[in-house]
Amino acid sequence: DADVTQTPRNRITKTGKRIMLECSQTKGHDRMYWYRQDPGLGLRLIYYSFDVKDINKGEISDGYSVSRQAQAKFSLSLESAIPNQTALYFCATSDMGGAPYEQYFGPGTRLTVT
Amino acid sequence: AQKITQTQPGMFVQEKEAVTLDCTYDTSDPSYGLFWYKQPSSGEMIFLIYQGSYDQQNATEGRYSLNFQKARKSANLVISASQLGDSAMYFCAMREGSGGSYIPTFGRGTSLIVHP
Repeated sequence: DADVTQTPRNRITKTGKRIMLECSQTKGHDRMYWYRQDPGLGLRLIYYSFDVKDINKGEISDGYSVSRQAQAKFSLSLESAIPNQTALYFCATSDMGGAPYEQYFGPGTRLTVT
Repeated sequence: AQKITQTQPGMFVQEKEAVTLDCTYDTSDPSYGLFWYKQPSSGEMIFLIYQGSYDQQNATEGRYSLNFQKARKSANLVISASQLGDSAMYFCAMREGSGGSYIPTFGRGTSLIVHP
């Protein structure tokens, strides 16, 4: 089974709808992240959380919110989806136990807003 | 200013040849780490290799090596003996600071195509 899972894997929604993307991990990592990937722009950080009580905005948090329900679960919400939020969304985790602190990524959620 | 710059949007290489993917970075923190990730067409992100700023030797992992030139602030990925399965997007990333309290920054990526 995958260590980092994301649901749904694909989603088409309409402008103005509220949508939630979910992420679960079995790696036991404290740190979790949400990124979006757009062609030619790489990965940009939306929100991150270093533990259940810690939530931080990333580079592009406007229009998004998150919830850290447990150590293993980190959800991303689009309160009112707009077409330019069409992108590939990744959840990632990392361990704080020691270098190199690489990130482990989920398979991604492809979101289309029409 | 971008912290991670990948100047090659696309690269082509012949199978079995070596290829270098460029990455330059910008930081004033003496403690940092550099990563390379691979993203095949299936979409997942795969960690390839890591170099810490205080590491004396260039990192190597199988056919991957990281050409770390600290004074030039470059961390190029070298893939030796390219294989068709190496065709993918490659992302360079950096964490600044020591310990695990860092926010990683990614470059825009380089698309590598390996020709038979």
